[in-house]
Amino acid sequence: GENVEQHPSTLSVQEGDSAVIKCTYSDSASNYFPWYKQELGKGPQLIIDIRSNVGEKKDQRIAVTLNKTAKHFSLHITETQPEDSAVYFCAARRDSNYQLIWGAGTKLIIKP
Amino acid sequence: DGGITQSPKYLFRKEGQNVTLSCEQNLNHDAMYWYRQDPGQGLRLIYYSQIVNDFQKGDIAEGYSVSREKKESFPLTVTSAQKNPTAFYLCASSIRTGLNNEQFFGPGTRLTVL
Repeated sequence: GENVEQHPSTLSVQEGDSAVIKCTYSDSASNYFPWYKQELGKGPQLIIDIRSNVGEKKDQRIAVTLNKTAKHFSLHITETQPEDSAVYFCAARRDSNYQLIWGAGTKLIIKP
Repeated sequence: DGGITQSPKYLFRKEGQNVTLSCEQNLNHDAMYWYRQDPGQGLRLIYYSQIVNDFQKGDIAEGYSVSREKKESFPLTVTSAQKNPTAFYLCASSIRTGLNNEQFFGPGTRLTVL
């Protein structure tokens, strides 16, 4: 069936360094890929998204890249700060019913 | 303040009992969703509703039921038929389903079945 794989499950980086989280998807018809951030005790919140007609999108310290041929997309966070510590989820929109298929999440830890 | 509320935050029930989780939104969104979140797994879709009085099964609907009698409300009932109900449940809404609409999430309800 359709699925989204996300790696790594845990990522620890020094404050100020960059962090990269990668996802692969199986449904070649998927054309929308959002990233959500979940802080402790809260629901996920959209931080950035990308559509299949775009290869890269940036928003300040956050960027997402998409490679449709390889069916993978990545989240890049530069100049990491303590408030970036959270669980990050990638997702892909399923073409059959337009619902999201979610990755398993990456716990990002920013070391001071 | 506009947003999504879920209550209660923590819920304990005995095995064999049905339990209903509340979800209310005042964002005037047409679409609402229920997800289940387990450790080490992504969000899994239980049910979703595109409009009042209509809803569709998601990937793991067995043992759950929903209703959508009002635009603002989308309660989820975890029945005794759900084999492993202990989990964190998230409710979300979006302007409408499909397309590329941002989903707004509530704070979640952690259900523990003893």
